[in-house]
Amino acid sequence: GESVGLHLPTLSVQEGDNSIINCAYSNSASDYFIWYKQESGKGPQFIIDIRSNMDKRQGQRVTVLLNKTVKHLSLQIAATQPGDSAVYFCAETEEGGYQKVTFGTGTKLQVIP
Amino acid sequence: DGGITQSPKYLFRKEGQNVTLSCEQNLNHDAMYWYRQDPGQGLRLIYYSQIVNDFQKGDIAEGYSVSREKKESFPLTVTSAQKNPTAFYLCASMLWGAGRQPNTEAFFGQGTRLTVV
Repeated sequence: GESVGLHLPTLSVQEGDNSIINCAYSNSASDYFIWYKQESGKGPQFIIDIRSNMDKRQGQRVTVLLNKTVKHLSLQIAATQPGDSAVYFCAETEEGGYQKVTFGTGTKLQVIP
Repeated sequence: DGGITQSPKYLFRKEGQNVTLSCEQNLNHDAMYWYRQDPGQGLRLIYYSQIVNDFQKGDIAEGYSVSREKKESFPLTVTSAQKNPTAFYLCASMLWGAGRQPNTEAFFGQGTRLTVV
């Protein structure tokens, strides 16, 4: 049967501060990772991605860091704004595999004005 | 405009009934996915399809069925065997290139909220 999942952890950040959202992945063969932002009642939106041949990738106000040794991924948001309040998910998949895309538990980001 | 469309946005089902959720994409993506999301929780993979006439079970396939007769369409049926079907259902598609390397991220529809009454 289905397992009951954990409720989302919450990160509260003051407006203007930097946010760091963490994600641990389980499949050591995963080599493509994606961060998504989901606002209430909507589908996830793409933020940034990274392939396993990179340790760091930067976008506009966002940076993703990948540590393959400990299977850890982080999303850094600079100068967090109220519009950044949402749930953030990391997703992993394996190139050359069966194209299965698996999502992490997610983190709720609350920006305090 | 290219995109992925789910319908309906809200769906109500009586206990014991099967219902089918629609997912259509015009992005020319081969791979399509169905996820279930419960309140305050993450996305769990139900089924996915790499190509027409082929699909694989995800992590929580029990009580669900899918078909992939056309590249553009990947409908999900929630059967009466699904004991707790009330949830938010998300469909996604993704473009994979030669050598099974992802060319794009997964694109999502806006979801269908299913409620059992």
